[in-house]
Amino acid sequence: NAGVTQTPKFRILKIGQSMTLQCAQDMNHNYMYWYRQDPGMGLKLIYYSVGAGITDKGEVPNGYNVSRSTTEDFPLRLELAAPSQTSVYFCASSFGTYYEQYFGPGTRLTVT
Amino acid sequence: AQSVSQHNHHVILSEAASLELGCNYSYGGTVNLFWYVQYPGQHLQLLLKYFSGDPLVKGIKGFEAEFIKSKFSFNLRKPSVQWSDTAEYFCAVNLPTSGTYKYIFGTGTRLKVLA
Repeated sequence: NAGVTQTPKFRILKIGQSMTLQCAQDMNHNYMYWYRQDPGMGLKLIYYSVGAGITDKGEVPNGYNVSRSTTEDFPLRLELAAPSQTSVYFCASSFGTYYEQYFGPGTRLTVT
Repeated sequence: AQSVSQHNHHVILSEAASLELGCNYSYGGTVNLFWYVQYPGQHLQLLLKYFSGDPLVKGIKGFEAEFIKSKFSFNLRKPSVQWSDTAEYFCAVNLPTSGTYKYIFGTGTRLKVLA
């Protein structure tokens, strides 16, 4: 049981490049989340999904897109990278919104 | 607006000292409360949670937290910290909104324990 996995662990992007952060979970959780973590700012919700085919915006969705074609996978896409997107990105999943969340190991992204 | 406040941003303690990290939330109704811990270079993991019942909750590694409804608080405590407790601690609140539940995280408290 791997839990929540994320790839890559680290990435450096140039301004304007695009990339996809991968997230997968093997706990059969319907709910999945993408957060960004900036120093001293806690966790900010980017997007979330309540099941395959259903996604919704969180607190800071601008510059990102998501899709959820399967229960297991919830990729996060950055279309035109900007320095403001330099952050650590965490994916999480939960059995339901009422319950605790399980986090992946994170992706440290630098945009220069 | 609903929010979660962690007033201590950085805490430095010596080993064996007692720890109390503050967490306050702004919401008048029923909430679920969580403390997560993030060890250096690792992901967040659940330390303890409160849904209902006994307001004193015991978690892993000797941590406990007390829910005081009248003070809207859920402070984290440990009687004697160890060097390995060096980490960042996040308080989170799960509250009902528009037919579902919304998670709000605090900004975190960075704890450094000196050996």
